[in-house]
Amino acid sequence: KNEVEQSPQNLTAQEGEFITINCSYSVGISALHWLQQHPGGGIVSLFMLSSGKKKHGRLIATINIQEKHSSLHITASHPRDSAVYICAVPINAGGTSYGKLTFGQGTILTVHP
Amino acid sequence: EAGVAQSPRYKIIEKRQSVAFWCNPISGHATLYWYQQILGQGPKLLIQFQNNGVVDDSQLPKDRFSAERLKGVDSTLKIQPAKLEDSAVYLCASSTLGRADTEAFFGQGTRLTVV
Repeated sequence: KNEVEQSPQNLTAQEGEFITINCSYSVGISALHWLQQHPGGGIVSLFMLSSGKKKHGRLIATINIQEKHSSLHITASHPRDSAVYICAVPINAGGTSYGKLTFGQGTILTVHP
Repeated sequence: EAGVAQSPRYKIIEKRQSVAFWCNPISGHATLYWYQQILGQGPKLLIQFQNNGVVDDSQLPKDRFSAERLKGVDSTLKIQPAKLEDSAVYLCASSTLGRADTEAFFGQGTRLTVV
């Protein structure tokens, strides 16, 4: 079983729709990252959160630490939101304070006008 | 503030050839990561540096991959000799600390195609 599971793997929406992408993880973490990757481009960090909810523009991220689950919501979706959205969690290695990110496989979002 | 710089953006080489990638992290960031992202998959950590020391290289194929971070700033990742399965995007990221709850900033990546 992967340590980080995302769903759905592919998501197609019409402009204006409300979108939800889910992320489940299997280990205890101190923070969860949501990232955005455009075709041919690098990765941009959207959120880092350890509890509750964060909002930035039309993007909202929530996390439930007890249930080991996080969601990324996009309100009033737009074609420019089309990208791969990746959930990542730090998996501490060897009990040190240094972490490394374990990434989900990504959700490919396509928003049609 | 300048972001993480990587070069080249694209590289095509034949198998068994050598290739090197370069990364310049955000100024002042002590931690630097190299990730490999194969098409359709999430990135996989290859190596993590803290200043000029290696913290984690457990997933680096050391028979063909090497990386260094001289003076604790810029870093290079080398593949010698390259195999077809090395075709991927190589991402560099940096952060202020190597802590699990520290935000990392990514470069644009280098897309490597091995033919």
